Formats: sequence, C-alpha cells, structure tokens
Amino acid sequence: EVQLVESGGGLVQPGGSLRLSCAASGFTYWMNWVRQAPGKGLEWVASIKHDGSEKYYVDSVKGRFTISRDNANNSLYLQMSSLRAEDTAVYYCARRKEWFGEFDPWGQGTLVTVSS
Amino acid sequence: QSVLTQPPSVSGAPGQRVTISCTGSSSNIGARYDVHWYQQFPGTAPKLLMYANSDRPSGVPDRFSGSQSGTSASLAISGLQAEDEADYYCQSYDRSLSAYVFGTGTKVIVL
Repeated sequence: EVQLVESGGGLVQPGGSLRLSCAASGFTYWMNWVRQAPGKGLEWVASIKHDGSEKYYVDSVKGRFTISRDNANNSLYLQMSSLRAEDTAVYYCARRKEWFGEFDPWGQGTLVTVSS
Repeated sequence: QSVLTQPPSVSGAPGQRVTISCTGSSSNIGARYDVHWYQQFPGTAPKLLMYANSDRPSGVPDRFSGSQSGTSASLAISGLQAEDEADYYCQSYDRSLSAYVFGTGTKVIVL
C-alpha cells in the first residue's frame, strides 16, 4: 500500500521561501501537490511526471513554485518562493496514475502559514 | 474560483437518499473528462470515494454511486448513515485552464 508523508510546513513571512517534502513508498506515476486554504476547498497546485520530464502548475504559482522529485530516495518536493498570504494552506501530496486519473492516495498534509 | 459548482450543503435523515450535483462546462465535464469524487472529514486528508464517474474503490460501500451526463455529474448516497456526514468534492480536468479542477465542495448533514 502506498503511503505518503509530507513535511516542511511552518510559518514564513510574506516574500519568503519554504520547501515542502513528501516521502512516498511505491514512488511511481505522476505525483502532485494539492492545497486547501483554511475553511476553503481543494486547489490543484502542481504535477510532475514519473521521470521528471514534464511539470505543470496552476497559474497562480507559476514562476514562484517549483515541483521536483528524487526517485532514488522516493521523495517529492515543492520549492515555494515569493510567498504570499494567499498561499496559506494545508499542502497535500497525492499520486495520480494517469493523465486524467484520480488523486489517490493522499498524504496527511502539512500546514504552510504566510504571515508577518 | 472553482469552475465546478456544487451545492454548499445537502441534508437527509438516516436511511434517506441524497444527491450531490457537480456542474461544469464544455471545457471539463462536457468534454468527457472523467469525474472523480473525494470524501473529507474535518481535520483529515481527502479520500478517494469514486473514480472515472461511477467506479468505487475497494472498500467503498455500494450505497455510494456516481453518474455523469452532459456538463454535470452526480454523487448519490442511499441509505444515509451518520458516518456519511462529511465534505464531498468532485474533480475533473479543464482543457481551457489546462488544470485539474475541484468542485466547490458540499457538506452532507445527517439529520
């Protein structure tokens, strides 16, 4: 059974940077980051292909966030820079087997708070 | 600004049937991209409830069923139980946005 465990969240000032990590067992297929602002709905953030050759982002984070992976260490990353208050959310990593496939499973999430 | 619209809440008594709608457009559900559904309890991560419009993952009771027609999809819960009280989200792909999109979310309330 695939298990995903996120880490790296915390409090950061506006304009600052943070790197999230996701440790995964069974690390194949597309990997994704999805976030959820406090009391709000789910928002897809970024995706990376199994070999790292393709990366996609939601418009609101393009140029600020970078998704990457280390298959040798079964790890997924999200480097976040120029953080804004509206980036405050719980960030989940999730697996997706196919281009139009479902997100499954999900990690437990890590909270990122952008505030001065 | 979700492109998939869901009712904020639906409610029903134990044993009743409730339906959650997910309304999209020709850029997502209407383009025949699969719709998936997730269940989320407070303070926990979402969990896959339905995939490819109407397929249930192993372990999901057959009280849950999904359908898709035109630019909309629906999730039905029959024989509603207290443990079904949670938030539910639909999800698909939008070709105009080139993005994976989620619905606005629906809270199911068991009376």
